[in-house]
Amino acid sequence: EAGVTQFPSHSVIEKGQTVTLRCDPISGHDNLYWYRRVMGKEIKFLLHFVKESKQDESGMPNNRFLAERTGGTYSTLKVQPAELEDSGVYFCASSPLTGFRLAGDYNEQFFGPGTRLTVL
Amino acid sequence: DAKTTQPPSMDCAEGRAANLPCNHSTISGNEYVYWYRQIHSQGPQYIIHGLKNNETNEMASLIITEDRKSSTLILPHATLRDTAVYYCIATYGGSQGNLIFGKGTKLSVKP
Repeated sequence: EAGVTQFPSHSVIEKGQTVTLRCDPISGHDNLYWYRRVMGKEIKFLLHFVKESKQDESGMPNNRFLAERTGGTYSTLKVQPAELEDSGVYFCASSPLTGFRLAGDYNEQFFGPGTRLTVL
Repeated sequence: DAKTTQPPSMDCAEGRAANLPCNHSTISGNEYVYWYRQIHSQGPQYIIHGLKNNETNEMASLIITEDRKSSTLILPHATLRDTAVYYCIATYGGSQGNLIFGKGTKLSVKP
């Protein structure tokens, strides 16, 4: 079974340009998450989709970031315009959606390899 | 989610058990303890989780103290490939929500 895939693996852009990152979750996983680690910092949550709906976007840093998940399959994260502080590694994760909340339902998220973004 | 505290780094000899501690003194009654790890330049990987009882799977064992204020992740026979940053996360089970990663413990397994 294929894992979570992310494209591109690396992206180098100039400040002010636009970049779009793509994430393909594991087939059948309705939950999709974006995280990022900027230089020297901890991994931080960005947002969470359930199917095509944004469940939680409290971690999105500002309105230069736009995430979409049309059709509830793959997701894109667009940064426009990119700034120097956006450099870092962007991770996508997915997990299956259970029909209801269970005690002991574990929150195993499957992470992709990440996209390393460098803004010059 | 409760805050967790971990030592910044640890060393372990190859083939020996690695015991990684985590303090979560403010954990609430229905928060689980999860462990993830990140091997260099890869995405984080789930290891194990638990609520009250000790847990074991093919990767590791998790020992949670009776008062649930701390836990220990045990890798029974560490290999060089276990060198990674290990994250202890306290979060609600079944939340389907985001994970809060701290600084973790950098485990170095040495030959």
